Amino acid sequence: QVQLVQSGSELKKPGASVKVSCKASGYTFTSYAMNWVRQAPGQGLEWMGWINTNTGNPTYAQGFTGRFVFSLDTSVSTAYLQISSLKAEDTAVYYCARGESLGLAIIYFDYWGQGTLVTVSS
Amino acid sequence: QSALTQPPSASGSPGQSVTISCTGTSSDVGGYNYVSWYQQHPGKAPKLMIYEVSKRPSGVPDRFSGSKSGNTASLTVSGLQAEDEADYYCSSYAGSNNLYVFGTGTKVTVL
Repeated sequence: QVQLVQSGSELKKPGASVKVSCKASGYTFTSYAMNWVRQAPGQGLEWMGWINTNTGNPTYAQGFTGRFVFSLDTSVSTAYLQISSLKAEDTAVYYCARGESLGLAIIYFDYWGQGTLVTVSS
Repeated sequence: QSALTQPPSASGSPGQSVTISCTGTSSDVGGYNYVSWYQQHPGKAPKLMIYEVSKRPSGVPDRFSGSKSGNTASLTVSGLQAEDEADYYCSSYAGSNNLYVFGTGTKVTVL
């Protein structure tokens, strides 16, 4: 069965970096896009962007350029989200989500990781 | 890209129906038949309930249905059950520049 298993919670100080992993199993990793979604405490879902698992080409949503980097290790079917220069407002649960796509159109997310809580606090 | 607009809350008694609206623009909801809906229980990951406006993934009860008219999509939950109490988010493809957008979310309460 399809599973996306994310790395555990992180507590970081402002200015530090964090790398969240998302290990996929139960399907061909390179056949589906991988997306990242942020949910701040008590807030809604926010699409951060996606990475083409065939080419490694990332696409970032508005507001997620510069400090956010999507990457892959296809040899272990794992996607990564790295956030640098962390700020208190980066405190959130970060989800990876498998994306069904038509060409460059992400049309829905059918499987989600369990989420990784990143807390930024001094 | 602005979030799609949903009512903050909706409620109904067990067995009743509740409908949640999701309003966008001609650049997202109205422009494509790529609206989906997600259910999220507290502390859990979202779950896909409806995709491509009205299609249900395997395992989702047929009590859940979706539709769209113009720039507004809707999710209807019929025969409300206690386990339907959750947050619901709509989403839509938003074109080659903005790509994807979520709604503001609706908390459904089963009275």
